[in-house]
Amino acid sequence: AQTVTQSQPEMSVQEAETVTLSCTYDTSESDYYLFWYKQPPSRQMILVIRQEAYKQQNATENRFSVNFQKAAKSFSLKISDSQLGDAAMYFCAYRSYQGAQKLVFGQGTRLTINP
Amino acid sequence: DVKVTQSSRYLVKRTGEKVFLECVQDMDHENMFWYRQDPGLGLRLIYFSYDVKMKEKGDIPEGYSVSREKKERFSLILESASTNQTSMYLCASSLSLAGGSYNEQFFGPGTRLTVL
Repeated sequence: AQTVTQSQPEMSVQEAETVTLSCTYDTSESDYYLFWYKQPPSRQMILVIRQEAYKQQNATENRFSVNFQKAAKSFSLKISDSQLGDAAMYFCAYRSYQGAQKLVFGQGTRLTINP
Repeated sequence: DVKVTQSSRYLVKRTGEKVFLECVQDMDHENMFWYRQDPGLGLRLIYFSYDVKMKEKGDIPEGYSVSREKKERFSLILESASTNQTSMYLCASSLSLAGGSYNEQFFGPGTRLTVL
């Protein structure tokens, strides 16, 4: 079974600075997808960024980018120019390429933005 | 925009009660999911459904059942609520496409259930 680990329960960053959230996973599959989801306080979970394992190029969405290291099974999220609206719980998630489309989530990292 | 709604944001029930959590999506998605969210544990899959009347157990199905009589609606049932089922429950839905990362899961706002 696949597992996802987020070793940082909490992180904080100054507004306008850059922060990196860590995620490692364990799988024996070669094809899969990785995601970062954001859950703002009292608001719905939304997808931030996604990465296909067969793509070597790291995904980027505006201020959000990932560092995908397939051999190391590492998938970190970098947030540049942090804004107050980035404060949220961030979850790393894994999905197999085939079969059931369920997500396996990490424990989450609570990100605080200091003004 | 995809909209996933859940019947209650907050719910308080007593031990032994039968509890129904309802989820409705408006985008004709085939797949629907129920997750439980607990601090330090992230989200864990309880049950999912890939079609009407079809269901599959997730990682923590014990103490729960589900019902999907219509494509847009997926219900989570706690037959006899217990205090260890106090948690945040999240519903999600997605299109059923073979592979493809673009069939992302869209989440509802969650129901915070307290069992006394």
